[in-house]
Amino acid sequence: DIQMTQSPSSLSASVGDRVTITCRASQSISSYLNWYQQKPGKAPKLLIYAASSLQSGVPSRFSGSGSGTDFTLTISSLQPEDFATYYCQQSYSSSMYTFGQGTKLEIK
Amino acid sequence: EVQLVESGGGLVKPGGSLRLSCAASGFTFSNAWMSWVRQAPGKGLEWVGRIKSKTDGGTTDYAAPVKGRFTISRDDSKNTLYLQMNSLKTEDTAVYYCTTVARVIRPWGVYNWFDPWGQGTLVTVSS
Repeated sequence: DIQMTQSPSSLSASVGDRVTITCRASQSISSYLNWYQQKPGKAPKLLIYAASSLQSGVPSRFSGSGSGTDFTLTISSLQPEDFATYYCQQSYSSSMYTFGQGTKLEIK
Repeated sequence: EVQLVESGGGLVKPGGSLRLSCAASGFTFSNAWMSWVRQAPGKGLEWVGRIKSKTDGGTTDYAAPVKGRFTISRDDSKNTLYLQMNSLKTEDTAVYYCTTVARVIRPWGVYNWFDPWGQGTLVTVSS
C-alpha cells in the first residue's frame, strides 16, 4: 500500500502569511496527488487535483506543486477563511486510495 | 446542481449490521464511479471503498480494514449508492461520506479525485 505522510501535523500562522504544507508518498506516484480542505463539521472540499490543477472556484492563492514522491500545497496569503485542516490523497492506485493524516492550520 | 445525500446512519451494537444509502442528483449517476470515505471522531479521512460504473465493469475495491465485512453496491435506476456494513466493530464508528470519483483521461494516464461529497452520516457502534 502507498503511505502518505504530511508535515507538519499542525501549523500556526497569521492572516497574510505564506504557508506551505508538504506531503510525501512512500513510492513514486507521478502527479496523481490531490489536496482537500476540511472545516469543522463539514465535508472535505477539493482544492487541487493532479498535483497542480486548481479546482474551479478555488481562489488563486492556493497552488500545488510536485511530482514523484514530494508535493507541496502553498497558500500565498492566508485569509481568515483558510483556517482549516488540509489533506493530501494519492490516486496512483485507483484500487486503493489513501489520504495523508492531515495538517491543521490554526490562527496564531 | 450536483447533490449527494447520505442516510441510514445510527447507533448499532458490535457485531450488528447497517446499510447506508446515498441519493445522487444533478449528474448522470450511471456513468459515475462512486466511493465511500469515513472519518472517525477527531481523526483523519479514511477511504473505505469504490465501485466503478457498470460500463467500466461495476467492480468494487475495499480498504483492508473493511474488506470482507462491507459491500458497496449501486442501483442506477434509483440513482442510489449503498454501503452494507456487517460484523460492525467499535472502530467503525465514524461519519461516512459518499463521494463521486471524478476522472479525467490524459494521454499519459487517468487522474481521479473525490468531488463532490455528501454531507455525511454518523455511524456509532457501541454496546
